[in-house]
Amino acid sequence: ETGVTQSPTHLIKTRGQQVTLRCSSQSGHNTVSWYQQALGQGPQFIFQYYREEENGRGNFPPRFSGLQFPNYSSELNVNALELDDSALYLCASSLTRTGAVEAFFGQGTRLTVV
Amino acid sequence: QQQVKQSPQSLIVQKGGISIINCAYENTAFDYFPWYQQFPGKGPALLIAIRPDVSEKKEGRFTISFNKSAKQFSLHIMDSQPGDSATYFCAAASSGGYQKVTFGTGTKLQVIP
Repeated sequence: ETGVTQSPTHLIKTRGQQVTLRCSSQSGHNTVSWYQQALGQGPQFIFQYYREEENGRGNFPPRFSGLQFPNYSSELNVNALELDDSALYLCASSLTRTGAVEAFFGQGTRLTVV
Repeated sequence: QQQVKQSPQSLIVQKGGISIINCAYENTAFDYFPWYQQFPGKGPALLIAIRPDVSEKKEGRFTISFNKSAKQFSLHIMDSQPGDSATYFCAAASSGGYQKVTFGTGTKLQVIP
């Protein structure tokens, strides 16, 4: 088991609502990357946070936003939920922003938008 | 745009056999090629990774073969075991101000006794 924990594990929201997902990073890791994994697909990079700043972003609209706190835990916020946002959301923490390959993944939050 | 293409989508192998999963990439800026293993209800976990200056890397029963000119790489699982049944993702990473990992679509491996 990794030291990366995500909450909640499952969530059901209605289209148009807003959601906040949380991630507690591995001790000593200062970087958190967030991924969206649709059913039967590989994870897609949403963004990365390094020392409380967004450090890189994938091809996701601005309604996907995040935060990283001084203890390096992180939140992913999604506004104006759409049905296509239904997916497993993974966070991964790494020692450095250049060590994402070796990141430790959490178990994910399964979001269902109805 | 799918930058890392993975095949097959699913694979059934007998216990003791060799499992082979193939990937191809397009972006020559990629400089690190990892493979991840994901069990149901879990996040992916790094299995093995290779840099493009090496043609092969072996760790236990897992081997990555890398062909830079063809922009292809593959994972071989020797002596496959039922416990290897999982979804495998190839990926490619580019470095710079930060390291971004691009995943393939995954291969669901089932090893039957």
